[in-house]
Amino acid sequence: AQSVTQLGSHVSVSEGALVLLRCNYSSSVPPYLFWYVQYPNQGLQLLLKYTTGATLVKGINGFEAEFKKSETSFHLTKPSAHMSDAAEYFCAVSDRYQAGTALIFGKGTTLSVSS
Amino acid sequence: DVKVTQSSRYLVKRTGEKVFLECVQDMDHENMFWYRQDPGLGLRLIYFSYDVKMKEKGDIPEGYSVSREKKERFSLILESASTNQTSMYLCASRTRGLNYEQYFGPGTRLTVT
Repeated sequence: AQSVTQLGSHVSVSEGALVLLRCNYSSSVPPYLFWYVQYPNQGLQLLLKYTTGATLVKGINGFEAEFKKSETSFHLTKPSAHMSDAAEYFCAVSDRYQAGTALIFGKGTTLSVSS
Repeated sequence: DVKVTQSSRYLVKRTGEKVFLECVQDMDHENMFWYRQDPGLGLRLIYFSYDVKMKEKGDIPEGYSVSREKKERFSLILESASTNQTSMYLCASRTRGLNYEQYFGPGTRLTVT
């Protein structure tokens, strides 16, 4: 079974600073990887995904992530944090079950942004 | 625009009650999912359905059942609610294929007292 590990349950940055949220995956086959964001009292929305092709993936709101097979990582970055980026972020990998597929999520990282 | 709706945002039930959580999607997706979200544990898959009347257990199916009689609707059932089922429940849907994203509803916060 696939799995993801998010390093750091809580990350704090200042407004304008670099955001780096870490995700490592475990997969026996080429993975499909996703980053989602959850704002308070809302469902999850997709930030970006890696399926095949270019390993640097750009997403919404200025976020990007790089797939590094040698490091089994898919870290999320943003050059300059905004107050509005404060949210919970989830990394996920697509996994097969007996008759179907589903996303398996990490435990999440809460991003705090201070002024 | 893609839409996944859940029947309630907040729900309070008593221990032992039968609870139904409803989810509807308007995207003609084959796959639908139920997760529960708890602080520090992330999202954990309870059940999913890959077609009408078809279901598969996720990672934590104990204490839950599901029903999918129509393609657009997927119900999560707590036969006899317990306090340890107090949680946020998230429904999602997706078209077939490993490389497609899941679309989430806003969640139902269930409290069992």
